[in-house]
Amino acid sequence: AQSVTQPDIHITVSEGASLELRCNYSYGATPYLFWYVQSPGQGLQLLLKYFSGDTLVQGIKGFEAEFKRSQSSFNLRKPSVHWSDAAEYFCAVGNAGNNRKLIWGLGTSLAVNP
Amino acid sequence: EAGVAQSPRYKIIEKRQSVAFWCNPISGHATLYWYQQILGQGPKLLIQFQNNGVVDDSQLPKDRFSAERLKGVDSTLKIQPAKLEDSAVYLCASTPQGALTGELFFGEGSRLTVL
Repeated sequence: AQSVTQPDIHITVSEGASLELRCNYSYGATPYLFWYVQSPGQGLQLLLKYFSGDTLVQGIKGFEAEFKRSQSSFNLRKPSVHWSDAAEYFCAVGNAGNNRKLIWGLGTSLAVNP
Repeated sequence: EAGVAQSPRYKIIEKRQSVAFWCNPISGHATLYWYQQILGQGPKLLIQFQNNGVVDDSQLPKDRFSAERLKGVDSTLKIQPAKLEDSAVYLCASTPQGALTGELFFGEGSRLTVL
């Protein structure tokens, strides 16, 4: 079955600390992988995506993610977290098919301590 | 460039009442999606339109939910009658024609509370 797992429901980090949010997927075809961020009361915004090529992808707001096929993972990282990064983060997987249906994880809620 | 517009932002109704949400996608975006996001969960696709045609409505509870995009631009999602479990944020998203899968542009959502 196709699925996306975000093992951490909630993470708290101190401002300036590094961050890694985990994402594991189960997908039959070559996956297209995404990270979206949702700030309180806002819609979702695309942080970064992986389709092919270099397995380390850079996104907006200083985020990066690394695709590891052998581990079926696509973890999101940031070297130094800012208070404004407090939000909900969603990992999603899709394909190049016509229906463009994404499978979403349940999200990881990030809190940042000053 | 204007983003995806949704209204109303908030709606409180009693169960068995009806409600409608409106979405205007980014200009020129052919594909429009309605998602339901229950608190603590990821978005769940309700319906996907390509222009004014339905591509996927397999997860739309058709006994109470309906959606239309008559002119291939803006769209309306209706719930009638509402149940308590329909309390959620209803997100509209759009993508331009030919965009790679998953590059969705979301509106701010319409938060529904059913009492």
